[in-house]
Amino acid sequence: QVQVQQWGAGLLKPSETLSLTCAVYGGSFSDYYWNWIRQPPGKGLEWIGEINHSGGTNYNPSLKSRVTISVDMSKNQFSLKLSSVTAADTAVYYCARGLRWLQTQNYFDSWGQGTLVTVSS
Amino acid sequence: QSVLTQPPSVSGAPGQRVTISCTGSSSNIGAGYDVHWYQQPPGTAPKLLIYGNSNRPSGVPDRFSGSKSGTSASLAITGLQAEDEADYYCQSYDSSLNGWVFGGGTKLTVL
Repeated sequence: QVQVQQWGAGLLKPSETLSLTCAVYGGSFSDYYWNWIRQPPGKGLEWIGEINHSGGTNYNPSLKSRVTISVDMSKNQFSLKLSSVTAADTAVYYCARGLRWLQTQNYFDSWGQGTLVTVSS
Repeated sequence: QSVLTQPPSVSGAPGQRVTISCTGSSSNIGAGYDVHWYQQPPGTAPKLLIYGNSNRPSGVPDRFSGSKSGTSASLAITGLQAEDEADYYCQSYDSSLNGWVFGGGTKLTVL
């Protein structure tokens, strides 16, 4: 049974860089894609990006210029960095495992507990 | 504005049946990409409810079912229970955005 646990700073000032990490316990790390998804308060889900075990990434075009997702295979961890944050980036950020069997077929079957990140001066 | 369109809210009495629609376009659902559904009770992380249009993960009651036709998909919940009160999201792939997209979410209220 896979467990996904995440952590990172919860309060940022505008223009700072958001940094979150997710650790995976149990199950295979290399057989899946690892994702970040966010949810602004009271709103819906937005996919941020994904990474595989070899470091291949795919990002949401609307965030691509500010997002970096990296992986540390030795620790079964992956991380999110989002630069130049503004109040619009205030959200609960989730990490999630993606079961991807084609370039265009994927769903998220295990989710982290979520981290509320607030951007405020 | 979400790429996949869901009704903001639906409601039903205990024991009743409700459906939640998810309407897309030719660049996502209509292109043949699978639709998946998630349940998110208040204050919790989303949970996978239906994958591959109509498949239930282990542990999900058979009161939940999914279907897909053309550019739309639907989630049906029969025998409504108070514990079903949650937000529900559909998800698929969009070829125009080259990424995974979600519906705006539907809040289910059990009366």
